[in-house]
Amino acid sequence: QVQLQESGPGLVKPSETLSLTCGVSGQSISSGYYWGWIRQPPGKGLEWLGNVHQSGKTYYTTSLNSRLTISIDASKTHFSLNLKSVTAADSAIYYCARLKLANSGRPEAFDIWGLGTMVTVSS
Amino acid sequence: QSALTQPASVSGSPGQSITISCTGTSSDIGTYNYVSWYQQLPGKAPKLTIYDVSERPSGVSNRFSGSKSGITASLTISGLQAEDEADYYCSSYTTGSTWVFGGGTKLTVL
Repeated sequence: QVQLQESGPGLVKPSETLSLTCGVSGQSISSGYYWGWIRQPPGKGLEWLGNVHQSGKTYYTTSLNSRLTISIDASKTHFSLNLKSVTAADSAIYYCARLKLANSGRPEAFDIWGLGTMVTVSS
Repeated sequence: QSALTQPASVSGSPGQSITISCTGTSSDIGTYNYVSWYQQLPGKAPKLTIYDVSERPSGVSNRFSGSKSGITASLTISGLQAEDEADYYCSSYTTGSTWVFGGGTKLTVL
């Protein structure tokens, strides 16, 4: 059974870098899947942030203006999110998720999600 | 990557059917069949409910169904039950290998 678990600081100061990791158990990250990050500000909707493939190839939302980096750890047991120069607008629950693959190999939906971790940006 | 458009809320009585719409553009729903729907219960992570427009993951009730026409996708829940009360989000693959979510719809079971 594949499980994802987000971890990281719950409080980050404005202008600093938000760093989160997503631990993957029950499956190797190097199994051809894509892995993603999605966030949800309190009381608001879901926002896709970006995906990373086992090859290291990444895809990002344009709305974060190059502040975002997603990577797979060399140990291949987790992947990470780094968001630079955070502001209060970056306060949200951050979810990591797995993208299931179609027979064509194209990612088709986020089928497994972590429980989420709340991050607050405040001094 | 503008968010997909969903109604803020819908409601229905137990046993009835409801439909939630999700409107995109020719860059997402209008071109790709990678439209998915997620159910989010209060305080919980989203749960995949429909993928590839109309496919149900194993374990999801057949009361949930999806469809698409042009740039609009729809989620229908038949035989509404109290446990269906939740927020529902649509999502689509878009050009540039990116993804977009809808703003979410709050379903109230009266």
